[in-house]
Amino acid sequence: GESVGLHLPTLSVQEGDNSIINCAYSNSASDYFIWYKQESGKGPQFIIDIRSNMDKRQGQRVTVLLNKTVKHLSLQIAATQPGDSAVYFCAENIRTDSGYALNFGKGTSLLVTP
Amino acid sequence: ETGVTQTPRHLVMGMTNKKSLKCEQHLGHNAMYWYKQSAKKPLELMFVYNFKEQTENNSVPSRFSPECPNSSHLFLHLHTLQPEDSALYLCASSRKLAGEDTQYFGPGTRLTVL
Repeated sequence: GESVGLHLPTLSVQEGDNSIINCAYSNSASDYFIWYKQESGKGPQFIIDIRSNMDKRQGQRVTVLLNKTVKHLSLQIAATQPGDSAVYFCAENIRTDSGYALNFGKGTSLLVTP
Repeated sequence: ETGVTQTPRHLVMGMTNKKSLKCEQHLGHNAMYWYKQSAKKPLELMFVYNFKEQTENNSVPSRFSPECPNSSHLFLHLHTLQPEDSALYLCASSRKLAGEDTQYFGPGTRLTVL
């Protein structure tokens, strides 16, 4: 089946720098994408989502970019802080026999150093 | 907090034991999900319930038995598990089972099968 994947398993950035986490998807029919953040010992936490009729969406210090031509999704975190250290997952919404389901990538571990 | 709670947070059981995981959502959502998260693997969808009806069973072994008595509660009954079933079991809920609806996760139950 088609799947979502991440380019880099780990990313180390200095506090105050901007972070970019990338995600490639292969299901051209996917029309909804979500970024989740998972801290140690916690469940995934919703960060931001984007629909396929948009190219960019901004939240508080985060921006998601969607390039449907190359099936690429990215999460940009501005002025990265130590509290941003976590594993970040992208997920695409895919059709199943009974409805919809989220297909998750493996995750990128973001480490923010002082 | 996301409004989705799970108990217990940690569980150690032998292969002959029977135990149950509980999930409760306080968000008024109608769809609930069980996921398995193993080390170095993407989140795996196990079961989906919509308005208390099971709509998805993602080829999960019968030693995992879900139960959804109402839209707010979801259980996962475990019996004769194997060591490879050790993982983080995550519950999630969404307002509806649709293509563009965010899923909110609980903190998970860390299960260890001896």
